[in-house]
Amino acid sequence: AQSVAQPEDQVNVAEGNPLTVKCTYSVSGNPYLFWYVQYPNRGLQFLLKYITGDNLVKGSYGFEAEFNKSQTSFHLKKPSALVSDSALYFCAVDNYGQNFVFGPGTRLSVLP
Amino acid sequence: NAGVTQTPKFQVLKTGQSMTLQCAQDMNHNSMYWYRQDPGMGLRLIYYSASEGTTDKGEVPNGYNVSRLNKREFSLRLESAAPSQTSVYFCASSEQSGDGYTFGSGTRLTVV
Repeated sequence: AQSVAQPEDQVNVAEGNPLTVKCTYSVSGNPYLFWYVQYPNRGLQFLLKYITGDNLVKGSYGFEAEFNKSQTSFHLKKPSALVSDSALYFCAVDNYGQNFVFGPGTRLSVLP
Repeated sequence: NAGVTQTPKFQVLKTGQSMTLQCAQDMNHNSMYWYRQDPGMGLRLIYYSASEGTTDKGEVPNGYNVSRLNKREFSLRLESAAPSQTSVYFCASSEQSGDGYTFGSGTRLTVV
């Protein structure tokens, strides 16, 4: 079965510093991978996806993610964090084209 | 605005009561999904509908039923609510595999 792990429940970073939110996956075949962000009392918003091609994917709000097939990872990154980036972040994998499997989420806190 | 609309936004039920959560999308998407979100567990799939007229169980279907009323609407019913069903429920839709989901804003359900 497809699965997604986000090894960190919480990530704290100072404003202006680079941030990384980690994601590893277990899938058979070539994965479709996604990142979503959830602000308080809101639904999830799409950030970016990897389907095929360039391993570095750029998305919304200055975020990017690097697909690493050998390490089965899809880490979310941003060169310079903003306080407004504080939110809950979910990694997800497409489950054989039927639905998504989500990771447990990582809470990002950007400190001023 | 185009998107996924969920009603109600908040609901408190007594144990044993029934209710239906409504979801409608106006993007002409084929697939629709119901997830529940619980702290530390990410989003877990309850049911999904790959196309009008079809529904399938997800990871946690027990205690729930769904109806894909037409292409736009996908409802979730709790026949006899239990405290374990206290959660935030999200509806989502997508056009096809590889596309991201569009999420509704959620229904916060408390069963007492």
